[in-house]
Formats: sequence, structure tokens, C-alpha cells
Amino acid sequence: DTGVSQDPRHKITKRGQNVTFRCDPISEHNRLYWYRQTLGQGPEFLTYFQNEAQLEKSRLLSDRFSAERPKGSFSTLEIQRTEQGDSAMYLCASSYPGPGNTIYFGEGSWLTVV
Amino acid sequence: DQQVKQNSPSLSVQEGRISILNCDYTNSMFDYFLWYKKYPAEGPTFLISISSIKDKNEDGRFTVFLNKSAKHLSLHIVPSQPGDSAVYFCAASADGTSYGKLTFGQGTILTVHP
Repeated sequence: DTGVSQDPRHKITKRGQNVTFRCDPISEHNRLYWYRQTLGQGPEFLTYFQNEAQLEKSRLLSDRFSAERPKGSFSTLEIQRTEQGDSAMYLCASSYPGPGNTIYFGEGSWLTVV
Repeated sequence: DQQVKQNSPSLSVQEGRISILNCDYTNSMFDYFLWYKKYPAEGPTFLISISSIKDKNEDGRFTVFLNKSAKHLSLHIVPSQPGDSAVYFCAASADGTSYGKLTFGQGTILTVHP
């Protein structure tokens, strides 16, 4: 499978716990994006990387959220001290840079905070 | 501020007929538009895109039309098939380094009846 891969697909955690999601982009895609989707809404942009550099972060990304892409390949999204409002699907996507290049999404990681 | 709007939450059509999904945007900086299809518990799947320098792009059964003056785009599916039943999202992007930072609409649930 050469698509965008996310792990875990589902995570149930207690409020206050930390969680980490991993994303493996399509190989050779140097852009990687994180989005969040809640029920009934479209995906919302969180942050993106070009290679290992994090170029932009949404104001949705509070201080409890941190994303890394240490070697310009896979990325992790960590949520510290989870809150019930963090329950959502976290989507990773990747692409080549520049307009006209398709952005491919992974299957998402569902987070439920109880 | 909802910069991309899909005003029809749902659409129901008969198999073989045309499905028309609509999307409006407010940000005149958007210059690249995409349609994604999404099944429950899966990530969005890219369908078709259009650059602002065009007013139509066609790929098989899918055609996207862009009316820049009206800030409106539509996706036509002809003929519609039951397998097309899913949530459809339109998304928009501005040029430059922020390419890939997509702004999504809320989605339209398409149901195609046999």
C-alpha cells in the first residue's frame, strides 16, 4: 500500500491523558498536513510541514498540541492533557509542493476522550 | 467565518440521473478548488480539481464547473451510481506557500437510489 498511512486508527483515552498519532506520508511527498474533523463538519486545517520544517500552524492548534516531522518523513501529532472537546478524527495528508498537485488523505485516526 | 459553504446538507437522486453538488466561496484569494468524497470512518478521497484559470474540468463521469464572478463551483456526476453515495466536500486553496492549506465546506450527503 503506497497511500498515506495513519496509526492508530482508533484511540479511546481518559481525559487528562496524552495521546500520540503517527502519519506516514506517500513516499517522496515532501509536504505533510494535519487536519481535524468533527461530526457534521468539513476537515479543518491544523498545521503543515515541508520536509522537516513546520511552516504554518492554525490557531486551532492550542499549546497542548504539538506536531513533529523530525526527518522529513513520518510525522507525529501529540495531544497533551486531552479534553473531551479533542474528540475528533485527525487526518493526515501529503502532497508534492506547489499548486496543481493533488493532496492525498489518510484514513484518519479517531480519538474519543472519555 | 465560513469561507467555503455547501448550503445543501443532502441530495437524493435516482440511479442514472445527474447529481449536481454546489459550493460557494467568499475569499477571492482562493485560486484552486477540489472535490473530495468521503465514506464514514474513512479519510477523504480526491475526486477532481480545477484551477481558477479554467471554468470547467472533466474526468470521466465527473465534471467541475467554476464561476469566478459568482464565486461558485459545482460538481456534476453523470450518470449517478449507487456507489457514489457518500459525503462530498468542496475545498479551496490560495496560491503561494500556503498551497495545501485547504478550507473545506461542511459537506453534502449524496444518496443515489437504485
